[in-house]
Amino acid sequence: GENVEQHPSTLSVQEGDSAVIKCTYSDSASNYFPWYKQELGKRPQLIIDIRSNVGEKKDQRIAVTLNKTAKHFSLHITETQPEDSAVYFCAATPYGGSQGNLIFGKGTKLSVKP
Amino acid sequence: DVKVTQSSRYLVKRTGEKVFLECVQDMDHENMFWYRQDPGLGLRLIYFSYDVKMKEKGDIPEGYSVSREKKERFSLILESASTNQTSMYLCASSSRQGNTEAFFGQGTRLTVV
Repeated sequence: GENVEQHPSTLSVQEGDSAVIKCTYSDSASNYFPWYKQELGKRPQLIIDIRSNVGEKKDQRIAVTLNKTAKHFSLHITETQPEDSAVYFCAATPYGGSQGNLIFGKGTKLSVKP
Repeated sequence: DVKVTQSSRYLVKRTGEKVFLECVQDMDHENMFWYRQDPGLGLRLIYFSYDVKMKEKGDIPEGYSVSREKKERFSLILESASTNQTSMYLCASSSRQGNTEAFFGQGTRLTVV
């Protein structure tokens, strides 16, 4: 089955710096790669996603890149703010009789210091 | 506004008890999931269902079963609760069409004593 590896497990940056979180996946048939943000005590919520026919997607300070050949994708947050502090999860969806089955990485705890 | 609602926020059960965790979604989603969240281990898939009465095992199905008798409701069952099942349980749902966003419930913090 699909396996998603996520690095780093913790990341601390100064306010205004950039943050990068990287994920790799094993199933070359996966074609949907979302990123979720989970603030303390709250449910995970989608912040950005990318499909396999696109190499990069940007939404204000957040961008995601996908390299299908290398089977890795990354989340980039620019001009970080204290409210960006949270746990971020990447995920991948494999095909093959399992529609929409999301497999998650182990998460990255991002701390943005003011 | 999508709503995924889990029946309990906090639950304390005794070892050996049969435990039911209920999840209801109001968006007519085909897919529903149960995840377990533990520190350092992320979100691990227990079971998911892509249609009524259909279910597939995730990565950690041992000790759990599920039921999906109606499209909007997906139940997680711990047949005989054990202390190592103490965890946060998250339900989610998504539309089958075109790989779309999964919406999560608020979570159930289960403690087995």
